[in-house]
Amino acid sequence: GQNIDQPTEMTATEGAIVQINCTYQTSGFNGLFWYQQHAGEAPTFLSYNVLDGLEEKGRFSSFLSRSKGYSYLLLKELQMKDSASYLCAVRDEGGGNRDDKIIFGKGTRLHILP
Amino acid sequence: DADVTQTPRNRITKTGKRIMLECSQTKGHDRMYWYRQDPGLGLRLIYYSFDVKDINKGEISDGYSVSRQAQAKFSLSLESAIPNQTALYFCATSDGSAGANVLTFGAGSRLTVL
Repeated sequence: GQNIDQPTEMTATEGAIVQINCTYQTSGFNGLFWYQQHAGEAPTFLSYNVLDGLEEKGRFSSFLSRSKGYSYLLLKELQMKDSASYLCAVRDEGGGNRDDKIIFGKGTRLHILP
Repeated sequence: DADVTQTPRNRITKTGKRIMLECSQTKGHDRMYWYRQDPGLGLRLIYYSFDVKDINKGEISDGYSVSRQAQAKFSLSLESAIPNQTALYFCATSDGSAGANVLTFGAGSRLTVL
């Protein structure tokens, strides 16, 4: 089975930096996603890591350590519009032939204070 | 027009009724998914399909069925709806030939079972 853990809620200040952690256990890991979801809206893709290391994309960066089963999403220069839920998701191919599921954690709700 | 369209967007029904949620896409993706989202539980995978007539169970398939009669359409059925199936349902698509398998979500269908 799969187990994906991330904090339920976090609060940060506008202009600051925040790091959202995600740990996972899965039998057939083949990549980790971060999605952003504003209240009442659909999730939208932020990043994908399959190899160890840091991927930077503007104000957002995502890090992966496969050996530790650990990832984080780093948000810099926080803006009020960054208030949203951030979903960690794992690509799991552990079920055998043609098994390729994307399983989500419960999400981290990020509150940005002015 | 949206790339992934879900109908209906909102539905209120009674216990025991049969409900169908429809999803259609114009992205030409081969893979389609159904997730449900509940507060505090995140997105949970119900069923997914890699091609026409291909159906795979996800994390929580009991009480649901799906049909993939055409590449662009993937429908979710609740044969006899019950109150704990009240949730926000998302359809998603992805390109299985692309490396990352990034999901594109529809806007969601909010179902209330009384």
